[in-house]
Amino acid sequence: EDKVVQSPLSLVVHEGDTVTLNCSYEVTNFRSLLWYKQEKKAPTFLFMLTSSGIEKKSGRLSSILDKKELFSILNITATQTGDSAIYLCAVEAPSSSNTGKLIFGQGTTLQVKP
Amino acid sequence: DGGITQSPKYLFRKEGQNVTLSCEQNLNHDAMYWYRQDPGQGLRLIYYSQIVNDFQKGDIAEGYSVSREKKESFPLTVTSAQKNPTAFYLCASSILTRGEQFFGPGTRLTVL
Repeated sequence: EDKVVQSPLSLVVHEGDTVTLNCSYEVTNFRSLLWYKQEKKAPTFLFMLTSSGIEKKSGRLSSILDKKELFSILNITATQTGDSAIYLCAVEAPSSSNTGKLIFGQGTTLQVKP
Repeated sequence: DGGITQSPKYLFRKEGQNVTLSCEQNLNHDAMYWYRQDPGQGLRLIYYSQIVNDFQKGDIAEGYSVSREKKESFPLTVTSAQKNPTAFYLCASSILTRGEQFFGPGTRLTVL
């Protein structure tokens, strides 16, 4: 059975700290791994990773994929209170009947204290 | 403005009643999805549709039904057969050849 596991499930840090969120997966027919940020409503897209070892970066956020060890990390440096959110990892694992199938992890709830 | 809209934002229902959640997109996406989100469980796929007049069951379709009569619209009906319907429901859409899905703001359903 395909699965995506995120860790930790929750995390509390102080502003200025650096955090690393983990996502491991076991799926057949892997195509890509995606990270989303959910602040209360709609998840918003952060990164899509398809190749091992190539870091994607956006401001203080960065992410990398290891297809050999089947995991990805999301790093946030110099955290701010606005980074408080649920971070969702999803793996695109298309099947014959669903070319866009995403399998989501449980999410990591990050709280950044002032 | 392109995007996905869901309505209503909050919905209360008595046990035994069916209720329909609306999802509309103007992104011209072929594929649309319904997810359910419970605390600590991430998003679980209820139904999806890749083309008008066609849809497929996801991982937790029991007690739900959908229709796709127009490309822009993919309403979800939560029936009385759904044993634990209280949850946050998210609609998403995507183009068929790319994994990135765009999400609506969600509907929070509470069964009283």
